[in-house]
Amino acid sequence: EVQLVESGGGLVQPGGSLRLSCAASGFTFSDHYMDWVRQAPGKGLEWVGRTRNKANSYTTEYAASVKGRFTISRDDSKNSLYLQMNSLKTEDTAVYYCATPGFDYWGQGTLVTVSS
Amino acid sequence: DVVMTQSPLSLPVTLGQPASISCRSSQSLVYSDGNTYLNWFQQRPGQSPRRLIYKVSNRDSGVPDRFSGSGSGTDFTLKISRVEAEDVGVYYCMQGTHWPPFTFGPGTKVDIK
Repeated sequence: EVQLVESGGGLVQPGGSLRLSCAASGFTFSDHYMDWVRQAPGKGLEWVGRTRNKANSYTTEYAASVKGRFTISRDDSKNSLYLQMNSLKTEDTAVYYCATPGFDYWGQGTLVTVSS
Repeated sequence: DVVMTQSPLSLPVTLGQPASISCRSSQSLVYSDGNTYLNWFQQRPGQSPRRLIYKVSNRDSGVPDRFSGSGSGTDFTLKISRVEAEDVGVYYCMQGTHWPPFTFGPGTKVDIK
């Protein structure tokens, strides 16, 4: 059974940093691209970014709204995906989900609140 | 970026009656491989999104057959043949043809009259 479990959310001040993790199981994590998607409170879904697999040099893509501030990485030995978020803004407040590349599996999400 | 629009944004429905949601993209979603990467998601209150339909009309495993997807090019439709109480939630279309970025529609809230 595929499972994705996010962690690391919390309250952070504007300008601060936070690192989210996503623990994956039930599939061959290293073979797959992986995505982050977020959802601001009461709002719709916004794609954040993607990491490709080793065969594609772990290259990444980002939404314009987070490019230059967020970094996606992965550790295939730990079946884990990460989202390093720097220079956080109040508008980054959202539930952050990790998802498999077809968006067929999603985690339960972790809430990030950016507020002073 | 491809802009996805949905209508209606709110859809009150009667139990047992059909429902239909329209999704339009700002450009054709036909990819060079001939596939059209248009997905539909359901998000029940308090839950993570769940993919219902991929590549326009393919139902995911475990999705009831009362859900169906259709369309081509820039115009797509999600239909529920007979709405049940468990279908309450927000439905999103999403394009995966022209990425980055992947883009979602604004969502259609389905509730019971």
